[in-house]
Amino acid sequence: AQSVTQLDSQVPVFEEAPVELRCNYSSSVSVYLFWYVQYPNQGLQLLLKYLSGSTLVESINGFEAEFNKSQTSFHLRKPSVHISDTAEYFCAVSVIGGTSYGKLTFGQGTILTVHP
Amino acid sequence: DAGVIQSPRHEVTEMGQEVTLRCKPISGHNSLFWYRQTMMRGLELLIYFNNNVPIDDSGMPEDRFSAKMPNASFSTLKIQPSEPRDSAVYFCASSRDWQPQHFGDGTRLSIL
Repeated sequence: AQSVTQLDSQVPVFEEAPVELRCNYSSSVSVYLFWYVQYPNQGLQLLLKYLSGSTLVESINGFEAEFNKSQTSFHLRKPSVHISDTAEYFCAVSVIGGTSYGKLTFGQGTILTVHP
Repeated sequence: DAGVIQSPRHEVTEMGQEVTLRCKPISGHNSLFWYRQTMMRGLELLIYFNNNVPIDDSGMPEDRFSAKMPNASFSTLKIQPSEPRDSAVYFCASSRDWQPQHFGDGTRLSIL
């Protein structure tokens, strides 16, 4: 079985400050890794994904995450946040292959609040 | 392209009534997932289908919940009878093979 731990339930930061949202996972098999973002009263949107290749992945709005296999981590970072980044962020994993068909295991979420 | 479409967006009903939530996945996607989100439990996977066949329903809380996928473009989640503790936001998501899931905007369900 897989599990995902997001180490911070809430992260308050000031606008233009850097931020890191931490995610650790546990799995006995190879996994794909994802970050989703949820804005108020909306569904989850894919922010970025790691499937293979370069361990550093980037989103179109300045977020990046690095897959660290030895530490089983997939932390999300942004060097300078905006008010509009205020949302809840979910880390998730899915097992590669088998009969999981892309089933996701989610962390509990981290609420990022950006203050002016 | 149209995303995952859920209806209704909001549902308020009295305890004991039957509730039916609907989902239209993205065309061409062959997996469909139903989730429930609450403050207390976070995001829970209830059931998922592949090629219209239920694969894992171990997340369905009890027999009052049932889900069907009669064809590739439609799925329902039914609660009968409904209880106040079923109040939550219910999400549907779809994907193709092992590609990332795409989520609908959810149905906010309130059981009085």
